[in-house]
Amino acid sequence: EAGVAQSPRYKIIEKRQSVAFWCNPISGHATLYWYQQILGQGPKLLIQFQNNGVVDDSQLPKDRFSAERLKGVDSTLKIQPAKLEDSAVYLCASSLAPSGNTIYFGEGSWLTVV
Amino acid sequence: GDSVTQMEGPVTLSEEAFLTINCTYTATGYPSLFWYVQYPGEGLQLLLKATKADDKGSNKGFEATYRKETTSFHLEKGSVQVSDSAVYFCALTPNTGNQFYFGTGTSLTVIP
Repeated sequence: EAGVAQSPRYKIIEKRQSVAFWCNPISGHATLYWYQQILGQGPKLLIQFQNNGVVDDSQLPKDRFSAERLKGVDSTLKIQPAKLEDSAVYLCASSLAPSGNTIYFGEGSWLTVV
Repeated sequence: GDSVTQMEGPVTLSEEAFLTINCTYTATGYPSLFWYVQYPGEGLQLLLKATKADDKGSNKGFEATYRKETTSFHLEKGSVQVSDSAVYFCALTPNTGNQFYFGTGTSLTVIP
């Protein structure tokens, strides 16, 4: 079974530029998560989708971050404009159902803002 | 609210030493508990899980027992290897909620 796919794996951009990350969850997984992991810290939830609806985006900095999951499968996370403090790994994860189920992570997209 | 607290690292052990990484949680009801491992340059991988009190999760020689009375889910391994060097995250998800809560991670380095 294919895992969670993410791209690009690595991205370096200058501050104030924009960047987009793509995620394809495990087939059949209705719930999709985007996490931000700053070096040395645990993952912090940015946004959670159930199918194509947003369940939780309370920690998403909406002035610069946006995410969509239009057809309830793939998702994109965009940052515009980027700040130095956005340097982190952006982890996509998915699960069958939102409660009590294991979530499976992709390899992550490593962003460096210079 | 629900949360997870795990012991701070970094932890450095010699090969074949015994490992314990402490994890305690705060939650209402009966959450599911997890340990995830993150090897250098990779995403998080599920190591083991337990979904109800007194359950023991195990994988690759690692074990953790869901203790409701002490609200703990400590990770143990009897004999660590160099290849176990990684960051370990404790996590929970409430059975009636829709979010995962992660600890801050514990970095383990095993030296030959």
